[in-house]
Formats: sequence, C-alpha cells, structure tokens
Amino acid sequence: AQRVTQPEKLLSVFKGAPVELKCNYSYSGSPELFWYVQYSRQRLQLLLRHISRESIKGFTADLNKGETSFHLKKPFAQEEDSAMYYCALSEADSSYKLIFGSGTRLLVRP
Amino acid sequence: EPEVTQTPSHQVTQMGQEVILRCVPISNHLYFYWYRQILGQKVEFLVSFYNNEISEKSEIFDDQFSVERPDGSNFTLKIRSTKLEDSAMYFCASSRTGIETQYFGPGTRLLVL
Repeated sequence: AQRVTQPEKLLSVFKGAPVELKCNYSYSGSPELFWYVQYSRQRLQLLLRHISRESIKGFTADLNKGETSFHLKKPFAQEEDSAMYYCALSEADSSYKLIFGSGTRLLVRP
Repeated sequence: EPEVTQTPSHQVTQMGQEVILRCVPISNHLYFYWYRQILGQKVEFLVSFYNNEISEKSEIFDDQFSVERPDGSNFTLKIRSTKLEDSAMYFCASSRTGIETQYFGPGTRLLVL
C-alpha cells in the first residue's frame, strides 16, 4: 500500500536556525510528491511540488528516489514559518488523489 | 484569486440525521475531491469526481456517502445517516486537470452527537 511517513509530530527551532522536515514514502510507480502547508486558521495550500523544482518562501525539497524521501528544507527559519506541514503523494495511475502524511507542526521561536 | 468555498463552516447534527456539505470549486476546474480529517489524525481521501461521475472512492466512502454536482457549480457530499465516527473536518478540493495542483477549501467541521 502506498504510504507517506512524517516521523516528527512537532519540530521546534529558533528563528534563524536551519529546518528539515522529513518525509518518506512508499510507492511502486513514479511518485508525484507535494508539500502542503496549513497556517493557523487558514486552509491547506500548496507549498511546493517536486516536478516544479522551485523554491517557495525559501523552502526547497528534493526527491531522492534511492532513499524514497522528499524532505523539506529551509536554511534560516522565520517565525512566520510556524505552521502545520503535510507531505503528500499523488497517484497518477488512479484519480490523482492525494495520500497525506500525518503532518509535522513546525514551531519557530523568537 | 479564485478560491474553493465550502458551506457551512461548522455543522452539528444528531446521530442518524442526514447532512449535506457544500462546496463551490474553482470555476474552470474539472476534477473534484472530498477529503476528511478526524481530529488528531491525517487527512484522508474520500472520493474523486470527474466528468459527472465518481472516478475513485476509498473504503471510508460506503453506501452512506454520496456526491453530486447538481448544477455545474456546486459539489456536494451527503451523509445519509450520520454516525459518531463521522465527526471530522471535511475538505473539498478541485484541480483544473488531474495532474495539476489541488486547491483546498477551508473545510466544514462536522460534529455528530
């Protein structure tokens, strides 16, 4: 079964520190991977997807097929980065439904 | 920027009652989804809808659930006879094509008593 694992429920860092939110997946085909973010009292929104290979708000994520990982990184965390982060996998050979990880709450302290 | 909207934002119902959750997807989008998130758990896929029919449904989406696009703009999720375990946040999402980004609504928090 396809799965997305985010091992950390909570990640707490100080402002300016590097951040890495871990995501591992299991999928037999070619995965389409995403990071969604949910700020307090806001809707889920796309942060980035691996095929676009762009940096959004200073975040990057590289798909590592060998390690089946798609970790989210930012070199210098800001307080406004505090949010819930969800890694998700899309199944292109079905209905493109998203399979989500359990999420990691990032708390950036001043 | 167009957004997916959902109504109501909160709904409280008695066990056994029917509820209809409403979504208005982004107007030029063709793929529609419902997801739910039970408190403290992960976001789970319920159903996908394309070309006026269900394209995929999960094990959660049993005979008590149905979806409809009644008028070309709304996309509804109906739960015929609610159970306590249906209490969750329900998210609607839409995308222009299957491969493109899914945009999520703000969710409807359903509480079944």
